[in-house]
Amino acid sequence: DSGVTQTPKHLITATGQRVTLRCSPRSGDLSVYWYQQSLDQGLQFLIQYYNGEERAKGNILERFSAQQFPDLHSELNLSSLELGDSALYFCASSLFGRANTGELFFGEGSRLTVL
Amino acid sequence: AQKVTQAQTEISVVEKEDVTLDCVYETRDTTYYLFWYKQPPSGELVFLIRRNSFDEQNEISGRYSWNFQKSTSSFNFTITASQVVDSAVYFCALSGAFSGTYKYIFGTGTRLKVLA
Repeated sequence: DSGVTQTPKHLITATGQRVTLRCSPRSGDLSVYWYQQSLDQGLQFLIQYYNGEERAKGNILERFSAQQFPDLHSELNLSSLELGDSALYFCASSLFGRANTGELFFGEGSRLTVL
Repeated sequence: AQKVTQAQTEISVVEKEDVTLDCVYETRDTTYYLFWYKQPPSGELVFLIRRNSFDEQNEISGRYSWNFQKSTSSFNFTITASQVVDSAVYFCALSGAFSGTYKYIFGTGTRLKVLA
């Protein structure tokens, strides 16, 4: 158990809808990262937050947004969903904030299926 | 630009065989970190090892060993006497402050199948 909690574990929705994925980082970790893993693809970095502030941005679509709250949990919002958004979304946390040089602790992922 | 290449998409071996997973990275920076993660069928990624760019000493942990060679920009992972439980997708990753922006970049992964 990594200590990172993601909910929901599975989510099935329709195109055009909006969903919110939630992540609680490991106790003491200030950084939260979101990654997307599509079928047979690697991990695509979406966005990173450190202590409530956006730290780095990757290939995140404009239809997606995220935030980190004062209690350090994070939410990833996916809107106007398309079939291609079906993927496993991982949240990870890290002890290191500014320097992404430490190991990442991953949650079990949220599997999103868009029909 | 920074990049991690895992050219082996899928490898199948028979139990007890040794197997090496290749990882080639690209960066012009002198300070960086390399990682290996394991993603078993359950889905959760598990950290295996971290190595900084100034430490080329190879490491062994049980049946796992890692060979870091800066001269070839490679950080290869060898499993000795593979077991069925080693079946997973293995990711190599690179992190550091590249052009002032911290990045954590993963390769596309290598799926290892260990057959009984």
